[in-house]
Amino acid sequence: DAKTTQPTSMDCAEGRAANLPCNHSTISGNEYVYWYRQIHSQGPQYIIHGLKNNETNEMASLIITEDRKSSTLILPHATLRDTAVYYCIVRSSGGDSSYKLIFGSGTRLLVRP
Amino acid sequence: DGGITQSPKYLFRKEGQNVTLSCEQNLNHDAMYWYRQDPGQGLRLIYYSQIVNDFQKGDIAEGYSVSREKKESFPLTVTSAQKNPTAFYLCASSRVRTEAFFGQGTRLTVV
Repeated sequence: DAKTTQPTSMDCAEGRAANLPCNHSTISGNEYVYWYRQIHSQGPQYIIHGLKNNETNEMASLIITEDRKSSTLILPHATLRDTAVYYCIVRSSGGDSSYKLIFGSGTRLLVRP
Repeated sequence: DGGITQSPKYLFRKEGQNVTLSCEQNLNHDAMYWYRQDPGQGLRLIYYSQIVNDFQKGDIAEGYSVSREKKESFPLTVTSAQKNPTAFYLCASSRVRTEAFFGQGTRLTVV
């Protein structure tokens, strides 16, 4: 079963920041938080991942709370092409289970013109 | 270009027939994965392989089979035992415990 909880859908205005929350209250110490997105009828695209520190790359920022029970993916200036389903995934860093990426239902983000 | 190639993009199968979906990667990744996605749903893990000649069942392996004879290739066979095979199938690969990269998927329809 997926170990994360996300809102079913969200929307934001083009050019504004999109903040997508994820709850992972049962996360353990060796588990990473990964974010992917899927544009309709395409394969998921990796966005970012982190363990406990905040992370930033050219696509997004990932803010992880100090207790690591939740995180927020931030798209700083959303565009229409960011409309997609966003998946938050918890993944072990060691052992056989580290190979398993378990997807939940994700958040459907709609960016409005 | 480096990447993951799934073929064909669309596949039609008669009920009761086996069909094999191709997945090839030239990223030199050790791990490969197969997922199934139904309309409006998330991805569900069918099988995964950490290394050549080894693979493990995921959450919905019944009615499917795989092989991993080469590092680059991880074909998925949908057998006649799979009761509801119509779905979007996604293949992925990764290095050990790093982010996975996905192919563009194969849409299988049983007619």
